[in-house]
Amino acid sequence: GENVEQHPSTLSVQEGDSAVIKCTYSDSASNYFPWYKQELGKRPQLIIDIRSNVGEKKDQRIAVTLNKTAKHFSLHITETQPEDSAVYFCAALLGDTGRRALTFGSGTRLQVQP
Amino acid sequence: NAGVTQTPKFQVLKTGQSMTLQCAQDMNHEYMSWYRQDPGMGLRLIHYSVGAGITDQGEVPNGYNVSRSTTEDFPLRLLSAAPSQTSVYFCASSDRAPEDTQYFGPGTRLTVL
Repeated sequence: GENVEQHPSTLSVQEGDSAVIKCTYSDSASNYFPWYKQELGKRPQLIIDIRSNVGEKKDQRIAVTLNKTAKHFSLHITETQPEDSAVYFCAALLGDTGRRALTFGSGTRLQVQP
Repeated sequence: NAGVTQTPKFQVLKTGQSMTLQCAQDMNHEYMSWYRQDPGMGLRLIHYSVGAGITDQGEVPNGYNVSRSTTEDFPLRLLSAAPSQTSVYFCASSDRAPEDTQYFGPGTRLTVL
């Protein structure tokens, strides 16, 4: 079936280092790829998204890259800070025309060590 | 704006009981959806609605019903609760489509004994 695979499941970095999380998807027609951050006990919140007509998008310390040919996209966080510690989810818009919906990856628990 | 609100925050049910999880948004959004989140897994779509009077099934609809009689409200009904439905449930809304920014509610933590 259609799915989104996310790696790694856990990631520990030192404060100031970079973190990279990767996702692959199954539907070559997918054209929307958001990333969500979820702090412990809180709701998911959109941090950045990318559409298929661009290859990279940046917002301060966060960037997302998209390779449509290889069907994968990645989240890059530079100069990590302790407050970046959270679970990050990627998602892709998958499904038949007219019934497309977001399918989420299984999440990456990022821990930034002070 | 209150955004997306959900009630209750916590609920404990016995197997076989039924209940309704409430979701409301005050942003005049057309698209609303329900997800469940289980440990170690991402969010899985239960049901969604593209507007008042229109609902459709997501990835894991069995055991759940929804209705959308108004733009603002999108309740989720558990017909006969089972332990496998123990989860955290999130409601979300977006302007018109799933590729518009989705705003999540605070979640309902449900335990079925």
